[in-house]
Amino acid sequence: DIQMTQSPSSLSASVGDRVTITCRASQSISTFLNWYQQKPGKPPRLLIFDTSTLQAGVPSRFGGGTSGTDFSLTIIGLQPEDFATYFCQQSFSTPYTFGQGTKLEIK
Amino acid sequence: EVQLLESGGGLAQPGGSLRLSCAASGFTFSRFAMTWVRQAPGKALEWISAISGSGNSPYYADSVKGRFTISRDNSKNTLSLQMIALRADDTAIYYCAKDSSLLPSSLDSWGQGTLVTVSS
Repeated sequence: DIQMTQSPSSLSASVGDRVTITCRASQSISTFLNWYQQKPGKPPRLLIFDTSTLQAGVPSRFGGGTSGTDFSLTIIGLQPEDFATYFCQQSFSTPYTFGQGTKLEIK
Repeated sequence: EVQLLESGGGLAQPGGSLRLSCAASGFTFSRFAMTWVRQAPGKALEWISAISGSGNSPYYADSVKGRFTISRDNSKNTLSLQMIALRADDTAIYYCAKDSSLLPSSLDSWGQGTLVTVSS
């Protein structure tokens, strides 16, 4: 199975900040990397698929990128509603494993 | 509007069984793969099973292979997960999710989840 390693596991930031969350795949997954946001007591929400394509309705302050087997989720200009937990997921080969999550908290 | 409504969760004894269902609406069900994802309390998401739009191709994580069976009824827009030989570490919220294509891919819509608790 492909292992997805997210970092950091938690992150404190302020409204207006720029933050980056990283996800590393244990092997090549091409661009088959997705990002989800989850708020407490709610199901996840798809933010970005195929590394950098924004899901419909997702604000443009969210962006995704890659460098080899390293993938990033960047939020530019944090808003109060962005404080949540973020998960990456590879959809290159089943099982479509998730990262362990990054909890983004208000500083 | 896509709607996914899970049911069938509850308390089961170790070694017992449960059948989860997911009623889908708001999209052409047979054109999309469907996936089950679970989340143990306070833990990460775990992809456990998916099925192609036709229903001919199931996929499983090793943690549930041989114990869980995914199926779908495209005439009733329903996804199911039959779970047997349940263990304590199967305790989790189980989410039904819609894939974005005919084969498993990114998950663009999710249900609210159903809680499965395995305990004696």
